[in-house]
Amino acid sequence: KAGVTQTPRYLIKTRGQQVTLSCSPISGHRSVSWYQQTPGQGLQFLFEYFSETQRNKGNFPGRFSGRQFSNSRSEMNVSTLELGDSALYLCASSLRGAFEQYFGPGTRLTVT
Amino acid sequence: EDQVTQSPEALRLQEGESSSLNCSYTVSGLRGLFWYRQDPGKGPEFLFTLYSAGEEKEKERLKATLTKKESFLHITAPKPEDSATYLCAVQAMIKAAGNKLTFGGGTRVLVKP
Repeated sequence: KAGVTQTPRYLIKTRGQQVTLSCSPISGHRSVSWYQQTPGQGLQFLFEYFSETQRNKGNFPGRFSGRQFSNSRSEMNVSTLELGDSALYLCASSLRGAFEQYFGPGTRLTVT
Repeated sequence: EDQVTQSPEALRLQEGESSSLNCSYTVSGLRGLFWYRQDPGKGPEFLFTLYSAGEEKEKERLKATLTKKESFLHITAPKPEDSATYLCAVQAMIKAAGNKLTFGGGTRVLVKP
């Protein structure tokens, strides 16, 4: 069974630009969560989607948004990029009713 | 607010030297405690889920245990390939939390041959 895939794997953007990251969950998984990982703050929860609805949101500014499609694929968007948005963005998927989350390889975003 | 603290931050072991990693947590009703392994530049790899105090799970040289306030990850006779960052996370019971995981800062383990 294929794992969680994320595209692109690496991205370099300039301050003020916006970026869209994509995540394809494991087949059959309907819950997708996004996390930001930085050396200073560690892994922090961004938001979770289930059946195209945002179920929970972390403590991030409104510049961070996401959505989920009917095939469970998810995208997250960051507008007006800041230097501090440089991070590894991780997507995780899980089965409905199961608690284990399986992570993708991440997208490394560098903002210059 | 849910909190997870892992110690030590870093651990250097000789091959075969067993040790334990600690994960202390506070959560508004524990739904599950999770252990992950993360290699540099990769996403976390799921290891274990523990649900209630007294529960233990094993996988190869790793054994995870859970009490009401902390969890331990025991590494028995480690090998160099066990070198990684080990992450602990909790999930709260409340419905509003959904599947949110709250992570600790991790323990970086280096096993030298």
